Amino acid sequence: GDSVTQMEGPVTLSEEAFLTINCTYTATGYPSLFWYVQYPGEGLQLLLKATKADDKGSNKGFEATYRKETTSFHLEKGSVQVSDSAVYFCALSPNDKIIFGKGTRLHILP
Amino acid sequence: DAGVIQSPRHEVTEMGQEVTLRCKPISGHNSLFWYRQTMMRGLELLIYFNNNVPIDDSGMPEDRFSAKMPNASFSTLKIQPSEPRDSAVYFCASSPRGQGIGGYTFGSGTRLTVV
Repeated sequence: GDSVTQMEGPVTLSEEAFLTINCTYTATGYPSLFWYVQYPGEGLQLLLKATKADDKGSNKGFEATYRKETTSFHLEKGSVQVSDSAVYFCALSPNDKIIFGKGTRLHILP
Repeated sequence: DAGVIQSPRHEVTEMGQEVTLRCKPISGHNSLFWYRQTMMRGLELLIYFNNNVPIDDSGMPEDRFSAKMPNASFSTLKIQPSEPRDSAVYFCASSPRGQGIGGYTFGSGTRLTVV
């Protein structure tokens, strides 16, 4: 079945460091891909999305490109901030429902 | 827009008791989803509704779990009887119909502890 695999955390970086969180997927057809972010004590929030191959989603300095040939959707940010500390979920949607990865906890040190 | 509203925020109950979690989706959203989040299994989709009709309940762990959506503005998830392994954060999310492509809005969740 459809699934998402993302790198295990926690990931700890210093402020202003470059961030990459890897995500690969398995799916039949051409699903939409997403990154969601969860801050402590809150629900998930959509961070960015891409609906077809080679699309780049971006928001708040984060980017991810839908790579069909490598079935990947890696999340990147050039310079992280302490406020980016959260849990990040990669997800795919083949239809009306969304399938989430297990999440990657990110800690940014000042 | 008040967003997706879940209640209660926290629930502590004894094993064997009935637990009811509540969700009010965003007005106009036709799809509603119940998720469970644990450290071990991450986010699991339990059930989802389109236009108040259950579409896929394959994620409901066992018969102790049931969900209803009597109208477009209210849904419940019931666990009867509850067990310690049901302890988790339960999220409700809603989206416009056919907007699985990122149209989800999540509630803040209900943290359930069964002792």
